[in-house]
Amino acid sequence: GEDVEQSLFLSVREGDSSVINCTYTDSSSTYLYWYKQEPGAGLQLLTYIFSNMDMKQDQRLTVLLNKKDKHLSLRIADTQTGDSAIYFCAVPNSGNTPLVFGKGTRLSVIA
Amino acid sequence: NAGVMQNPRHLVRRRGQEARLRCSPMKGHSHVYWYRQLPEEGLKFMVYLQKENIIDESGMPKERFSAEFPKEGPSILRIQQVVRGDSAAYFCASSPPLGGSSYNEQFFGPGTRLTVL
Repeated sequence: GEDVEQSLFLSVREGDSSVINCTYTDSSSTYLYWYKQEPGAGLQLLTYIFSNMDMKQDQRLTVLLNKKDKHLSLRIADTQTGDSAIYFCAVPNSGNTPLVFGKGTRLSVIA
Repeated sequence: NAGVMQNPRHLVRRRGQEARLRCSPMKGHSHVYWYRQLPEEGLKFMVYLQKENIIDESGMPKERFSAEFPKEGPSILRIQQVVRGDSAAYFCASSPPLGGSSYNEQFFGPGTRLTVL
């Protein structure tokens, strides 16, 4: 089955860019997702990318996909204190459901 | 349009008791997923249901855990004879029918935090 790996922690200064990385194992995934979890809350879909794209930009968010290396990244430009949260990379298992999540990257933004 | 509702938000049980977690999907959503999040871990898939059908339960423990999504009413995740290791946050997600696209946005509820004493 699918396996998703992420680094666990990232600390950046307010105003800098954050880059959160993710690797996965199943190359047949069609859509790949990034979710955000704030303390004590559920997960909120942040953005997604279709597998025939290598980049998607949405305001301060840029998703890069390297299918050959099975590497997905999320870049947050001009990181703000409100961006402090846990970010999960999620990739569908076979048949597009269910989602397989990485362990999450805890982003801390220092003012 | 209300989001995915879960209740209770917090549940405390003693070892050996039963825990019932409820999930009401978003209006128009016919697919429900249950995930478990252990402390400092990612979410692990447990079960995927449609109305009156279990589609994929490959992530469910073989014993003590069961799930249903009846024709009327919320989806229920039931844990019998709870043990301390069941302490976790349980998240429900729902999605609309997949249609012809493989895009599958799952909308998550706020979770139920189960503590077993």
